Amino acid sequence: DADVTQTPRNRITKTGKRIMLECSQTKGHDRMYWYRQDPGLGLRLIYYSFDVKDINKGEISDGYSVSRQAQAKFSLSLESAIPNQTALYFCATSDPGPGDNEQFFGPGTRLTVL
Amino acid sequence: AQSVAQPEDQVNVAEGNPLTVKCTYSVSGNPYLFWYVQYPNRGLQFLLKYITGDNLVKGSYGFEAEFNKSQTSFHLKKPSALVSDSALYFCAVRDRGSTLGRLYFGRGTQLTVWP
Repeated sequence: DADVTQTPRNRITKTGKRIMLECSQTKGHDRMYWYRQDPGLGLRLIYYSFDVKDINKGEISDGYSVSRQAQAKFSLSLESAIPNQTALYFCATSDPGPGDNEQFFGPGTRLTVL
Repeated sequence: AQSVAQPEDQVNVAEGNPLTVKCTYSVSGNPYLFWYVQYPNRGLQFLLKYITGDNLVKGSYGFEAEFNKSQTSFHLKKPSALVSDSALYFCAVRDRGSTLGRLYFGRGTQLTVWP
């Protein structure tokens, strides 16, 4: 987990505020992902990036945006936070490989929107 | 469409007994299959994966999983459970024919091992 770091680890904010969650990795991986975890729903993909110039929407991208500033950095923004975006957010990375490479996860950011 | 089902939200087992956490999948082609574990206040950790070959895959912490193509299942097993195995377990699948490389996760199964 130390190879993938997320900041902040916990954040409480108010409805309507803009929030940025940051992810950095030292694994040298091209691929990076943002997921959110909700109890009973598992992990759902928000956005993913296969390299600095390639960004794709996942299952639940509405209300979110991302920025891939460098190979090692992938940020997730909530332009105007709402309470149902309260969740645990994970960043992950992987090698392109032949498709069978596992993803490595950061420790997560717990976001509460009041 | 790709999907993963973990039919049990919770699995309870006594320490020393064998454990099984179930997973079934649906992909249009042949799958890559993964198991991850999440301990409290931690990110997901990779346990094991099935790529090809032997249907029984061995992974970290004494866990293993059996790939069954006819039943489209990839159940996680351990012969003798430990209290420290208590955690949230996720099964995930990727269609090896897909160029996107996305993982699809199940909803997770909470494993509790009683002393």
